Amino acid sequence: GENVEQHPSTLSVQEGDSAVIKCTYSDSASNYFPWYKQELGKGPQLIIDIRSNVGEKKDQRIAVTLNKTAKHFSLHITETQPEDSAVYFCAALSGGYQKVTFGTGTKLQVIP
Amino acid sequence: GAVVSQHPSRVICKSGTSVKIECRSLDFQATTMFWYRQFPKQSLMLMATSNEGSKATYEQGVEKDKFLINHASLTLSTLTVTSAHPEDSSFYICSASDRGHGYTFGSGTRLTVV
Repeated sequence: GENVEQHPSTLSVQEGDSAVIKCTYSDSASNYFPWYKQELGKGPQLIIDIRSNVGEKKDQRIAVTLNKTAKHFSLHITETQPEDSAVYFCAALSGGYQKVTFGTGTKLQVIP
Repeated sequence: GAVVSQHPSRVICKSGTSVKIECRSLDFQATTMFWYRQFPKQSLMLMATSNEGSKATYEQGVEKDKFLINHASLTLSTLTVTSAHPEDSSFYICSASDRGHGYTFGSGTRLTVV
């Protein structure tokens, strides 16, 4: 089955700096890679996603890159703000969305 | 965008009682719904996958007689924790999938068994 590794487990950055979270996956059949933000006591919320036919996607301060050959994808947050503080999960899915495999999560702390 | 409503958000129950958690897709038909359990500071652990009108598929190690899942319609799935015990206390999260909407999570239910 699919195995998703995520690093780092915790990340502290100064407000305004950039944050990068990296994930690797094992199943070459995976073709959809969402990123979720989870605030304390709440369910995960989709913040950005990328499909395997695209190498990079950007939405304002958030961007995701995908390297299919190396089987890794990364989340980039620029100009971080305190409200970006949360736990971020990467995930990998194969066709039909029948099962998703999550990374272990990264706790991001943005220091004002 | 797609919205999944999960209720209740918090529930406290006594040992030995049963608790039902509801998950509804509000603006799309969810062909597949998933139930997760999350322990503090850990990732989401898939418990079971349910397709409308059929029996749920449980992950290894998850007791199907303890965690009853019903997916009777394309917009509603329920998880019933039967004969709850303190070790069942956890954060339970549902998600719904539709090929056109991807994968959307509910807001989670904090279950405390006392």
